Amino acid sequence: GAGVSQTPSNKVTEKGKYVELRCDPISGHTALYWYRQSLGQGPEFLIYFQGTGAADDSGLPNDRFFAVRPEGSVSTLKIQRTERGDSAVYLCASSLDGGVKKETQYFGPGTRLLVL
Amino acid sequence: AQSVTQLGSHVSVSEGALVLLRCNYSSSVPPYLFWYVQYPNQGLQLLLKYTTGATLVKGINGFEAEFKKSETSFHLTKPSAHMSDAAEYFCAVSSAAGGYNKLIFGAGTRLAVHP
Repeated sequence: GAGVSQTPSNKVTEKGKYVELRCDPISGHTALYWYRQSLGQGPEFLIYFQGTGAADDSGLPNDRFFAVRPEGSVSTLKIQRTERGDSAVYLCASSLDGGVKKETQYFGPGTRLLVL
Repeated sequence: AQSVTQLGSHVSVSEGALVLLRCNYSSSVPPYLFWYVQYPNQGLQLLLKYTTGATLVKGINGFEAEFKKSETSFHLTKPSAHMSDAAEYFCAVSSAAGGYNKLIFGAGTRLAVHP
């Protein structure tokens, strides 16, 4: 079956611009996570959705970052006034339930964002 | 707070040799532990996970890991490396906070396999 998909695969933008990154989770998965992976580092948690609501957004670095999941499926990560330090790979993951701590997360291929 | 330390950012082995990737964790509660593999331009794929029960966990592609509470370790091993094992490997622990699986990752270990 289809896995987690993310679009675009690569995004190049200029400092100060607005970008949107899209995640399509596995069908039927209610839990959705966003992570950010900077060069040479492991992924870092950004935000977790259970259904339509953001249950934990404690990893968002500042108020330039925002994410939505209006219908409980597709999610969009939005970054305003991009900065060079936002350059990273943004990973999306989904899992079936979310309310189970040992549950497997399935990751998408990521969106590689480069801010010039 | 939970944390993960992966010793060795780069490991190089010969084809057919033992693979050993080290992971130590810090957790205030009994941990759930995971190993993920990342191939170039691909997402992370779960190799194996430890939740409860048997401390020796077998995963895909011949990998296994052993949870050692006394050493706070969860090292990943494979008896015989294959060229296709070349990738980046991440160890992760599930955060104690919340009833969901918020993962805390180590910095990763890049495995090179040479003929």
